[in-house]
Amino acid sequence: AQKITQTQPGMFVQEKEAVTLDCTYDTSDPSYGLFWYKQPSSGEMIFLIYQGSYDQQNATEGRYSLNFQKARKSANLVISASQLGDSAMYFCAMREGLNQAGTALIFGKGTTLSVSS
Amino acid sequence: KAGVTQTPRYLIKTRGQQVTLSCSPISGHRSVSWYQQTPGQGLQFLFEYFSETQRNKGNFPGRFSGRQFSNSRSEMNVSTLELGDSALYLCASRESGGNLHFGNGTRLTVT
Repeated sequence: AQKITQTQPGMFVQEKEAVTLDCTYDTSDPSYGLFWYKQPSSGEMIFLIYQGSYDQQNATEGRYSLNFQKARKSANLVISASQLGDSAMYFCAMREGLNQAGTALIFGKGTTLSVSS
Repeated sequence: KAGVTQTPRYLIKTRGQQVTLSCSPISGHRSVSWYQQTPGQGLQFLFEYFSETQRNKGNFPGRFSGRQFSNSRSEMNVSTLELGDSALYLCASRESGGNLHFGNGTRLTVT
């Protein structure tokens, strides 16, 4: 079974609109972290936001917020007021065993976001 | 602080050759991880080094190897290149307990 599932291969949104990128995860580890990264066409992976499994509140970073629903095992990224520069590939990722050293990030397949004017 | 630096940005090699990629982490970061990104398989973990020791390895053949030096710089080596090794190779560094910071990647093309 896939550990991270991103069901939307592509999303289209107009400037200034909000958009939600879906992510569901699968783990039996009680200690895990969820990440969202943005990858523009240049290839670099840009960290956006992090949510720990024990965090009580949803994470927010500027225009980015993470809608964390632990019981449903979902960690959707919400981008408010989209900008043209938001056009990129977005990856959801998870790291299990936060108390252990050397655990790897597991990535979803990604969602391509296209923002139009 | 300077970010994660990967060299070279682009590489073209032929089948059977070997290649070495380099990664300099953010100053003060002692953990370096490597990931392979392909259109078919997505992003896959290769290995992680901490203080010159490999502490985790992904499911890749032994042709893929790496090392870390005392200054935390890391190299990964791929021997006997195959067409399927064509990919974007991303390096990431992390301070203790922190998030991963990725470099721009090395795009390897095997012909």
